[in-house]
Parts: sequence; C-alpha cells; structure tokens
Amino acid sequence: GQNIDQPTEMTATEGAIVQINCTYQTSGFNGLFWYQQHAGEAPTFLSYNVLDGLEEKGRFSSFLSRSKGYSYLLLKELQMKDSASYLCAAAYNFNKFYFGSGTKLNVKP
Amino acid sequence: DAGVIQSPRHEVTEMGQEVTLRCKPISGHNSLFWYRQTMMRGLELLIYFNNNVPIDDSGMPEDRFSAKMPNASFSTLKIQPSEPRDSAVYFCASSFFPGNTIYFGEGSWLTVV
Repeated sequence: GQNIDQPTEMTATEGAIVQINCTYQTSGFNGLFWYQQHAGEAPTFLSYNVLDGLEEKGRFSSFLSRSKGYSYLLLKELQMKDSASYLCAAAYNFNKFYFGSGTKLNVKP
Repeated sequence: DAGVIQSPRHEVTEMGQEVTLRCKPISGHNSLFWYRQTMMRGLELLIYFNNNVPIDDSGMPEDRFSAKMPNASFSTLKIQPSEPRDSAVYFCASSFFPGNTIYFGEGSWLTVV
C-alpha cells in the first residue's frame, strides 16, 4: 500500500558507509519508520522521523524530506552483523501503517 | 519489560485443520496488529485493532481467516480450514496508538502440509 519503494538488495563492504533509500506517497503522511530484520527474526525498530531532517543514533542515521516523499537510512562503519533486511514503513492518517518490501543488505569482509 | 508474546512459535499442520495463533500485546498498548510475511509478498497487514475493536480487516485474505480481541491483553488469529498457501510467518505487533512505533512479537512460523 501507499507505494513504499526501496531497493531490493544492496551489497557493501565492512567498514564502509551505505545509504538505503525509500520513497512513499505524501498524501495523509504522518511519519516514517525504519526497521531492521535479521533472517528468521522479527523486525526491530531502528528510527522514526516525523519532521524534515536528519536523526542520528550512533552508527545509524535516518533522513526525511516530507515535501519530496523521500527518506534514507544511513549506516556507517558497517559491521558484518549489519547484514539484514531493512524495512521502510510509513504511517498515514494516524491509523494506517504500511511497510515496504525491504532492502536486503549484504555486508562483505 | 515483556514484549509482545506470541504462541505457538512453530506449528506444522495438515491441510484442512484449524489453526489458532495467540498474542499478548505489550501492557498499556492500545493498538494490536496481525501481519503475515512471505518471501513473495513481504510483510502484509491482515487486521488491526484499536482499544479491542477491529478497525481495518481489509487485509484478511478470505473468510477462512478470522481474528478476535476479547480484551486488552489477548488476541487470536484463526485459520479454518488451513491450506498450504497459508504457510508463512505470522507476526503480532502492538503500539500505544495507531501511527505510533509498532513493536513486533517473535512470530509464529506456520507450515501447512
């Protein structure tokens, strides 16, 4: 729902920086969430953006542009344990929550 | 603090059997969600409740699926009769209110043979 688009898969090298992009429909939009999901596990909450700008949490940062319907998740100093799927999710009209299909990140030594 | 608790964690059942999945949301959370995840379709919202009332069940695939929330601390998702295409991971999740951060349970891995 709501055309949450993100790349299917990305590969990056340990120690590097990777940016995972997400676009969404802006009508009725309330906020943007990022979740991490390791294989065989449940999604876990990473970040939440409601205003434009960058939110930083340690090695992870998330950016939002409400006017452009665009967000990205930035992962710095990549570690092998960061290999996982990253799900972009958007909240609408204070009662709907849609997930993208997820971006599978492969971190290589 | 206890997170969202789901049971069973794994279930293997034969086609045609009834399956009941159970969920206890985080205490104090007013919204409860049932999601299904498969490789092909990703994470799909099946139904969500607010204050124990079903708000949106448009994601429930068909009449074989039903969900209830008799009180603030318990919900069930029932599939009757089950079919092999129902094989998936079913996640229960909760939040303080709709549109707020959602916290997931560990999932119920269902295989219908």
